[in-house]
Amino acid sequence: GAVVSQHPSWVICKSGTSVKIECRSLDFQATTMFWYRQFPKQSLMLMATSNEGSKATYEQGVEKDKFLINHASLTLSTLTVTSAHPEDSSFYICSSAPGHQQETQYFGPGTRLLVL
Amino acid sequence: GQQLNQSPQSMFIQEGEDVSMNCTSSSIFNTWLWYKQEPGEGPVLLIALYKAGELTSNGRLTAQFGITRKDSFLNISASIPSDVGIYFCAGSAGAGSYQLTFGKGTKLSVIP
Repeated sequence: GAVVSQHPSWVICKSGTSVKIECRSLDFQATTMFWYRQFPKQSLMLMATSNEGSKATYEQGVEKDKFLINHASLTLSTLTVTSAHPEDSSFYICSSAPGHQQETQYFGPGTRLLVL
Repeated sequence: GQQLNQSPQSMFIQEGEDVSMNCTSSSIFNTWLWYKQEPGEGPVLLIALYKAGELTSNGRLTAQFGITRKDSFLNISASIPSDVGIYFCAGSAGAGSYQLTFGKGTKLSVIP
């Protein structure tokens, strides 16, 4: 149980384009999902907390207009990197917390984004 | 803000040896989690601890939630090559906020 999937697993795009990443909790419902960014050899950096049916809460320094988050259902959250630039290249990871165990996060496999 | 100090930063051990790593916090956590991350993958939950003093095992892995609620350790017994990876501790203060604070990770290398 507690399986989280992400799609795509990797993406290469041109500068200026937008990229959407999907995060799905496959076997449980999640009122809360989290989006992280990870740079090489570093720990995970929380970008935003996504709540089903409401606006996401962004961490300080994360541009909400650049990283659009939508949590339309209890099993799906999406992160859209708008007008991507090379500095947005990174490893993006989502996590999901079951409603009955919200203090425990299960992570997706991550999405490697490369912006040329 | 909350900070987690995880040590050691890296370890090189011989296959079959036991491993110990720990995390300490400047503030109290209500939940401690231990994850393992392999290259190009997301972190995988190894052990979750919810009560102070709790000692939990998962195969060759054992983790404890410190009594002060400001620390936790993870032990791996009889290490094998597939134990290689980066181990992260994470803590949650709970009380309506389920964000995790992460340690910086312990990179484990196992020499066959």
